Amino acid sequence: NAGVTQTPKFQVLKTGQSMTLQCAQDMNHNSMYWYRQDPGMGLRLIYYSASEGTTDKGEVPNGYNVSRLNKREFSLRLESAAPSQTSVYFCASSEDLPSTQYFGPGTRLTVL
Amino acid sequence: EDQVTQSPEALRLQEGESSSLNCSYTVSGLRGLFWYRQDPGKGPEFLFTLYSAGEEKEKERLKATLTKKESFLHITAPKPEDSATYLCAVHERGSSNTGKLIFGQGTTLQVKP
Repeated sequence: NAGVTQTPKFQVLKTGQSMTLQCAQDMNHNSMYWYRQDPGMGLRLIYYSASEGTTDKGEVPNGYNVSRLNKREFSLRLESAAPSQTSVYFCASSEDLPSTQYFGPGTRLTVL
Repeated sequence: EDQVTQSPEALRLQEGESSSLNCSYTVSGLRGLFWYRQDPGKGPEFLFTLYSAGEEKEKERLKATLTKKESFLHITAPKPEDSATYLCAVHERGSSNTGKLIFGQGTTLQVKP
């Protein structure tokens, strides 16, 4: 079992460019999440998907969109990247919403 | 406001020197408290889940305990490989339909040989 995988590992964008962060899990979990981690701010929830076909906003959704492609995959899209989106992005999954969340290795994004 | 506070921010120990990390929380109702370990450049790795006051969980040199206001992560006879940032997160009862975890800032532990 690979658990939660994320691609890419690193990315550098220019302001205004777009990109999609990919996440997949092989644990047959129903719920998936996207977090960002910034120094001094801790981990903050961007979007989550309680189950296949549903997505909802978390704490910091502005500037992002998500797609729950199927039960395994949950992608995060930045339509027009801004320097404030420079961060480390983590995908996580859990059996259901209140269950333990398991995290991927992260994507380190720099927006110039 | 719901809050999770971890202390100390940083802790340096000698190998074998036992200590405890603290996680205090103020939420309207606790559904679960989670401890994670995070190594530099990696994602958080799940350690423990605690659900009710008085509960304890153990794994190797780590033991997590829970009261109504705080949780402790006790590290017994630590080794250099225990060096990492330890994160505490709380799932509060009102967020049970969102899955939102409230994370603390973490405690960075360094264990010297």
